[in-house]
Amino acid sequence: NAGVMQNPRHLVRRRGQEARLRCSPMKGHSHVYWYRQLPEEGLKFMVYLQKENIIDESGMPKERFSAEFPKEGPSILRIQQVVRGDSAAYFCASSPSADNEQFFGPGTRLTVL
Amino acid sequence: AQSVTQLGSHVSVSEGALVLLRCNYSSSVPPYLFWYVQYPNQGLQLLLKYTTGATLVKGINGFEAEFKKSETSFHLTKPSAHMSDAAEYFCAVKPGGYQKVTFGTGTKLQVIP
Repeated sequence: NAGVMQNPRHLVRRRGQEARLRCSPMKGHSHVYWYRQLPEEGLKFMVYLQKENIIDESGMPKERFSAEFPKEGPSILRIQQVVRGDSAAYFCASSPSADNEQFFGPGTRLTVL
Repeated sequence: AQSVTQLGSHVSVSEGALVLLRCNYSSSVPPYLFWYVQYPNQGLQLLLKYTTGATLVKGINGFEAEFKKSETSFHLTKPSAHMSDAAEYFCAVKPGGYQKVTFGTGTKLQVIP
């Protein structure tokens, strides 16, 4: 059973471009969580999704950030008009239910030039 | 609301010495508690978790943690440090059921030969 997959592993964007980060949860997991890790900091919760639904987006910045988890395909975290402060590692986690432990992917490291 | 405090952002131990990483939490309801390890440029791997039942929890790689409700602590220990234990360790808390996981800021463990 493959683990949580994230791609790309590394992403470089120039200021003003869009970044799309993909997350394929473990097989059988319908709950997906996105976290951001800034340098020298812990993980900060961004958003929690179930298939086609956003359950909790209390950690998402109000502007430029959006997330989806369509019925088919991976979950996508989209950052529009990136700025240097968006440079961070973005981790996706999945679980089979809300009450279960979360399994983490290897992360996508976004660098904004 | 919940929070996690990890005392000591950096801990150094000699190879073979006891490892003790401290974690205190606050939670308005009985918590689920986790320790994760992160190696450089990798995702988080679950070391161990406490949900209910026995308060002394054993995890992978010889680590264990004890849930002490009276002290609101969940310290991580290992009797004898190995060079391969050098990594960053994160304590995390969430109430039972769904609520977002809250992570501590992490403790970097250095093992000195």
